[in-house]
Amino acid sequence: GEDVEQSLFLSVREGDSSVINCTYTDSSSTYLYWYKQEPGAGLQLLTYIFSNMDMKQDQRLTVLLNKKDKHLSLRIADTQTGDSAIYFCAESRAGGGNKLTFGTGTQLKVEL
Amino acid sequence: EAQVTQNPRYLITVTGKKLTVTCSQNMNHEYMSWYRQDPGLGLRQIYYSMNVEVTDKGDVPEGYKVSRKEKRNFPLILESPSPNQTSLYFCASRPGRNTGELFFGEGSRLTVL
Repeated sequence: GEDVEQSLFLSVREGDSSVINCTYTDSSSTYLYWYKQEPGAGLQLLTYIFSNMDMKQDQRLTVLLNKKDKHLSLRIADTQTGDSAIYFCAESRAGGGNKLTFGTGTQLKVEL
Repeated sequence: EAQVTQNPRYLITVTGKKLTVTCSQNMNHEYMSWYRQDPGLGLRQIYYSMNVEVTDKGDVPEGYKVSRKEKRNFPLILESPSPNQTSLYFCASRPGRNTGELFFGEGSRLTVL
C-alpha cells in the first residue's frame, strides 16, 4: 500500500511539547519530510531526515525515525501560538520523479 | 523574490465550463507538479513534469490536463469541470528532476457548482 497516515488533530498548551506522529508503508522510502501549512498559505518545508538516520535535531524541532516500525515523529519543544498550523509528513520514493507521497495532515492547535 | 505563483487564487465556476489555473516559477526549476488537497486525504499528486515537454500522470489525473511548453510555466487545465473537482490546488516546483526541496505556491481554491 501507499498510505502515509497521521492523526487529524492535536491540541497542546503554549510552552508544552508537541509530538506529531506519522506512519508510512513503503520500506524503500529514501527521505522523509515534515511540511508546515499555515492558514491560507502553501506548504513550507520544516525539516527532513534521510532514511538511514534515527534522529535529527534542528533548534526546537526533533525528528525521530523508527525504520523497523515505519514510524516518524516530529517533536516541537516549547510550542508557541505561531506553531498552530497543519503539519504534513511526506515520504520520497525512488522512481516516478522521486514522487512525494503526503500524509493526511495533522492540525495542531496551541492554546494559551 | 523566489516564488511559485498561481492564478486565480479563488474561483467559483459551473459544471462544464473550461478553466485553466496558471502556475509560474521564477527559480529556473526543472521539476513542477500539481496537487489537490482535500479534507482527510492530504495532498494527492495530479500531474508532474520533469522538464519542458515532459509530463506524467500522478495519482489522480482523471479530468485534468497539463502542458509544459516553457520551463517556468505549468498550467492545469480542466476541460469540463465537475463538482468532484471542487478542491484546493497547489502547484510546486523543485530544482532538480529527482532532488531538492519542493517549493509550493499559495494555492488556488476552486469551487465547481
